[in-house]
Amino acid sequence: AQKVTQAQTEISVVEKEDVTLDCVYETRDTTYYLFWYKQPPSGELVFLIRRNSFDEQNEISGRYSWNFQKSTSSFNFTITASQVVDSAVYFCALSEAQRVGSTLTFGKGTMLLVSP
Amino acid sequence: KAGVTQTPRYLIKTRGQQVTLSCSPISGHRSVSWYQQTPGQGLQFLFEYFSETQRNKGNFPGRFSGRQFSNSRSEMNVSTLELGDSALYLCASSLATATSYEQYFGPGTRLTVT
Repeated sequence: AQKVTQAQTEISVVEKEDVTLDCVYETRDTTYYLFWYKQPPSGELVFLIRRNSFDEQNEISGRYSWNFQKSTSSFNFTITASQVVDSAVYFCALSEAQRVGSTLTFGKGTMLLVSP
Repeated sequence: KAGVTQTPRYLIKTRGQQVTLSCSPISGHRSVSWYQQTPGQGLQFLFEYFSETQRNKGNFPGRFSGRQFSNSRSEMNVSTLELGDSALYLCASSLATATSYEQYFGPGTRLTVT
């Protein structure tokens, strides 16, 4: 069975601080897909990134970066120089290979609060 | 391109009633998935439809059902509503190909059962 663990329930930072959101996953599949989503107070889940299990290259997109470590089953997300607009709940999710992206197993989410 | 739309956005129902929620996917997306989000259980997968066929189903009772139409629009139905069905119901669509498989979510329908 698949499982995603986001151990940090809530993180509070002051604007311009860097923050890392942790994600640890469990799966028996050798090929799988990982995702991060952002859920602002409006409720809509916003897609941030996807990663294949066979592509361990880290990725940077503006202030966002992701560190995929297959050896430790982790897919951590770092926000550099955080801003108030980054305040949201962030979800890490896992999908099995056989059904590409069709069944997402989500972590419980990490609520990030960025104060001015 | 328009995003995923869900109607209605808010709904209040009474125990024992039934409800139907609607989802229109992004144009060209053939896969539609439904999720339930509650404070206690988090985000849980309900079912997925692809080309009008249910491809996968989560661990929910038979009171939860869905369907997909030929234009990829999807509906989910909950019969004999219980208080515990109060939740945010999210619909997501995807191209569901090997190279484009991320799911895009709608704003959700917030269902309150009294």
